[in-house]
Amino acid sequence: GQQVQQSPTSLVLQEGENAELQCNFSTSLNSMQWFYQRPGGSLISVFYNPSGTKQSGRLTSTTVIKERRSSLHISSSQITDSGTYLCAPGGRGSALGRLHFGAGTQLIVIP
Amino acid sequence: GALVYQYPRRTICKSGTSMRMECQAVGFQATSVAWYRQSPQKTFELIALSTVNSAIKYEQNFTQEKFPISHPNLSFSSMTVLNAYLEDRGLYLCGATGQANTEVFFGKGTRLTVV
Repeated sequence: GQQVQQSPTSLVLQEGENAELQCNFSTSLNSMQWFYQRPGGSLISVFYNPSGTKQSGRLTSTTVIKERRSSLHISSSQITDSGTYLCAPGGRGSALGRLHFGAGTQLIVIP
Repeated sequence: GALVYQYPRRTICKSGTSMRMECQAVGFQATSVAWYRQSPQKTFELIALSTVNSAIKYEQNFTQEKFPISHPNLSFSSMTVLNAYLEDRGLYLCGATGQANTEVFFGKGTRLTVV
């Protein structure tokens, strides 16, 4: 089945530093989403980025489906960015709506 | 915008009893609905996937007998956890996909505690 690897597992940054989160998956799929989750909290969609590069504020996502990888760049990190970031490649057709979650990267931003 | 509502947000049930959770897509026409469970260890499991005009497909380790799902229309889905036990604890998330693309919109989840 689909294997999703996220790195690093955890990351501690000082406020203002940049972060680069990586996601690699074993089987080429048709979509990629990044989610943010606070401890015990709901999933918040950060990016829907099936291919190419997208930017939203301090966040930038780059997905290269044929290379089976995606990245999430956070610039000028803030304390409120702390939480878990999950990547989830998804399917199409009969697998529409099916996401394969990585284990996540736990980000801690300290003052 | 596209929103997914789940209720209740949290529930506590006695071991061996059942509880029902609901999911509603608002602002878009959902073509598929998926139920996931995030365990206390934070791993995600797909329970079942329901696509318009197709039967509900359950993943391995999850059955209709244990997690019956009702999906009467494209906007509403409900799932029951029958005879809940400790291993059923977790955050149950409902994700819905619309016609435009494969982006999945999630509700805030129903947190189930079994005592």
